[in-house]
Amino acid sequence: EAGVVQSPRYKIIEKKQPVAFWCNPISGHNTLYWYLQNLGQGPELLIRYENEEAVDDSQLPKDRFSAERLKGVDSTLKIQPAELGDSAVYLCASSFRSDADTQYFGPGTRLTVL
Amino acid sequence: AQSVTQLGSHVSVSEGALVLLRCNYSSSVPPYLFWYVQYPNQGLQLLLKYTSAATLVKGINGFEAEFKKSETSFHLTKPSAHMSDAAEYFCALNTGFQKLVFGTGTRLLVSP
Repeated sequence: EAGVVQSPRYKIIEKKQPVAFWCNPISGHNTLYWYLQNLGQGPELLIRYENEEAVDDSQLPKDRFSAERLKGVDSTLKIQPAELGDSAVYLCASSFRSDADTQYFGPGTRLTVL
Repeated sequence: AQSVTQLGSHVSVSEGALVLLRCNYSSSVPPYLFWYVQYPNQGLQLLLKYTSAATLVKGINGFEAEFKKSETSFHLTKPSAHMSDAAEYFCALNTGFQKLVFGTGTRLLVSP
């Protein structure tokens, strides 16, 4: 079974530029999460989707961050414009309805903002 | 607020020695607790989870953890460390509604 797929794995941009990250969850997983992991820290939830609905986006900085999950499968997280402080690893995870406590994580996208 | 605290940002052991990674939690409701491992440039992998069944939980790769309510702890142990165990380990608490709160992580270093 394929795991959570994320792309790109690495991204380097200059500040004020836009950037987008893509996530493909495990097949059949209805819940999708985006996490932010700063260096030396644990992941912090940005947004959680149940199918195509964002059910928890309280920690998403909505002035510059946006996300979508069209058709309840793949998801895209966007930052526009990026700031120096956005340099971090962006992790995507998914879980299945019948085992909602177990989240499966992708390898992450490491963003560097210059 | 519900939170987890991991004691020690780095733990060093020799190959074959006991591994002990400490995690204490704070929760106003019975907690669901997790340990995840993260290898360099990879995502997090679930090692084990406690969901109010047996207090001693066995996970993958020979790891286990014991839930102690009186000490509000969920420490991770392995009897004999292997070089391949070198990684970052995260303790996490489910706050409800499928929301995980992670500790700051402990980097395990294993020397030959």
